[in-house]
Amino acid sequence: GQNIDQPTEMTATEGAIVQINCTYQTSGFNGLFWYQQHAGEAPTFLSYNVLDGLEEKGRFSSFLSRSKGYSYLLLKELQMKDSASYLCAVRDRDYKLSFGAGTTVTVRA
Amino acid sequence: IAGITQAPTSQILAAGRRMTLRCTQDMRHNAMYWYRQDLGLGLRLIHYSNTAGTTGKGEVPDGYSVSRANTDDFPLTLASAVPSQTSVYFCASSPTQGAGETQYFGPGTRLLVL
Repeated sequence: GQNIDQPTEMTATEGAIVQINCTYQTSGFNGLFWYQQHAGEAPTFLSYNVLDGLEEKGRFSSFLSRSKGYSYLLLKELQMKDSASYLCAVRDRDYKLSFGAGTTVTVRA
Repeated sequence: IAGITQAPTSQILAAGRRMTLRCTQDMRHNAMYWYRQDLGLGLRLIHYSNTAGTTGKGEVPDGYSVSRANTDDFPLTLASAVPSQTSVYFCASSPTQGAGETQYFGPGTRLLVL
């Protein structure tokens, strides 16, 4: 099975930077995904890492260290619309996705 | 239709009743999935299908069944609903089940079993 840990909640100010950490233990590894989920809505894809290092996409970046079983999602220049849950998900050797419980980010003015 | 649709949007169901949640995608994706999302537990995989005609069990399959008669549709059936099946159910699809393939989610069905 999988064990994926991420903080439950984080609060930050508009314009600031927030880093959401995710640690995982998995049977085989075939990539790590980050999804964004606004309240009452479906998860939407943010980023994918399969090799170590940083992937940058505009205001969002995601980092992976396979040897440490660790990833983070970096949100820069926070906007009110970034208030949402952020889900870390790991694909195992059978290509199934396992999700963490999600981190709720609240952006304050 | 664009993407994935689910029906109904929400439902209140008496315990013991049978219920089918519908999921349709128009992206010609081979792989489809059903998840449930409960507070504090995140998304958990119920059943999946890598291609039409095949299905497999996920992490929490008990009490649920699925079928995949064609590429577009992937219904989830609760044969005899119980209160612990109260949850938000998401259907998802991906082009294949391969390593880098992103899963796209439907809008969800909110189910309350009394």
